[in-house]
Amino acid sequence: SAVISQKPSRDICQRGTSLTIQCQVDSQVTMMFWYRQQPGQSLTLIATANQGSEATYESGFVIDKFPISRPNLTFSTLTVSNMSPEDSSIYLCSATAGTGGLGEQFFGPGTRLTVL
Amino acid sequence: SQKIEQNSEALNIQEGKTATLTCNYTNYSPAYLQWYRQDPGRGPVFLLLIRENEKEKRKERLKVTFDTTLKQSLFHITASQPADSATYLCALDRLYNQGGKLIFGQGTELSVKP
Repeated sequence: SAVISQKPSRDICQRGTSLTIQCQVDSQVTMMFWYRQQPGQSLTLIATANQGSEATYESGFVIDKFPISRPNLTFSTLTVSNMSPEDSSIYLCSATAGTGGLGEQFFGPGTRLTVL
Repeated sequence: SQKIEQNSEALNIQEGKTATLTCNYTNYSPAYLQWYRQDPGRGPVFLLLIRENEKEKRKERLKVTFDTTLKQSLFHITASQPADSATYLCALDRLYNQGGKLIFGQGTELSVKP
């Protein structure tokens, strides 16, 4: 199994600013992902964080808005840029250790972001 | 595109009874399906994975069935306890058997009363 921590756990930010969320895994994992969970909604995949290369974004999400880094096998960051109130959400990091990325995913506790 | 539907209405049951949650999907034939539990303010926690060639899987008080003809999975909690109260999410592999990307249902909230 893998234990995932995220920082910060919550933040309140002003419109137009950026916030970087950190995700740390206690062991090396094959795949890392970033999800968004808006109030009362399910999880929506933002992107796959690729180690040593550019992240792979899902439809509706772009690198300029959500730049992602993954410098090694245990750490990733997600930046929410030029924030607006519509970005208020919970952002979750996940990881999977299975072969080819298959199998159970471990999730961090989430970062609750409020944009004023 | 793939679509997953779970009962949007909360499920309220009495302690000791069996809770049954439903997950239906369309426009897709997944290689596997997963169930997660999410408590308020926390990230989802993995419970069970069932593959397309498996009809049923059990883990302690949990049982999952997978009917690829009906495009449906049922998740059962037997002898339910108040501690089982949470939101339960089903998820499918977004790309057939590749890369671990998941698409989630909206979840069903379960409340077990003592």
